[in-house]
Amino acid sequence: GAVVSQHPSWVICKSGTSVKIECRSLDFQATTMFWYRQFPKQSLMLMATSNEGSKATYEQGVEKDKFLINHASLTLSTLTVTSAHPEDSSFYICSATDRGRSSSYEQYFGPGTRLTVT
Amino acid sequence: GESVGLHLPTLSVQEGDNSIINCAYSNSASDYFIWYKQESGKGPQFIIDIRSNMDKRQGQRVTVLLNKTVKHLSLQIAATQPGDSAVYFCAESLVPGNTPLVFGKGTRLSVIA
Repeated sequence: GAVVSQHPSWVICKSGTSVKIECRSLDFQATTMFWYRQFPKQSLMLMATSNEGSKATYEQGVEKDKFLINHASLTLSTLTVTSAHPEDSSFYICSATDRGRSSSYEQYFGPGTRLTVT
Repeated sequence: GESVGLHLPTLSVQEGDNSIINCAYSNSASDYFIWYKQESGKGPQFIIDIRSNMDKRQGQRVTVLLNKTVKHLSLQIAATQPGDSAVYFCAESLVPGNTPLVFGKGTRLSVIA
């Protein structure tokens, strides 16, 4: 149980285009979903916190108009990278907490999405 | 031995030996700590966690030690196997549950068969 999926697993796009990444909790309802970004050989950096039905909370330095987050249901959050540029190339990872397991502290991570902007 | 590269320190150990991976966390107010394993091109995989009211917790082949006095966390892996080769991250949060995690820099563990 507690599986999180991401789609696509990798994507290549041209500079100036927009890319949407999906994060789904497959067998549980996610109270909260988090989006992280990871550059090569570096650690995960939190981008934003997303709660179902409300606006995402962005970390300092993350442009909310560039990284659009929609959390329309308890099992799906999407991250759209608008007008992507080569510096946006990174590994994007989401995580989710299980609404139905208040005694569990664990965040379940997705497999990540590799974005390459050419 | 251990070496510090441009971004990720690396720990090389012989198969069968014990590994100790260290982490210095940043916030003395953090209450919850987790160790993750990340293989190349994959998301982080939960290994073990510990609350701040504990100083040691054991799992299967792994032990986490917490020293709040010096804000230090360590992960011990017994009888290290080739499949343990990965990057290991510690993470902290103010409270467990629906709060963001702050990840440490990570250590690459390389197991020599």
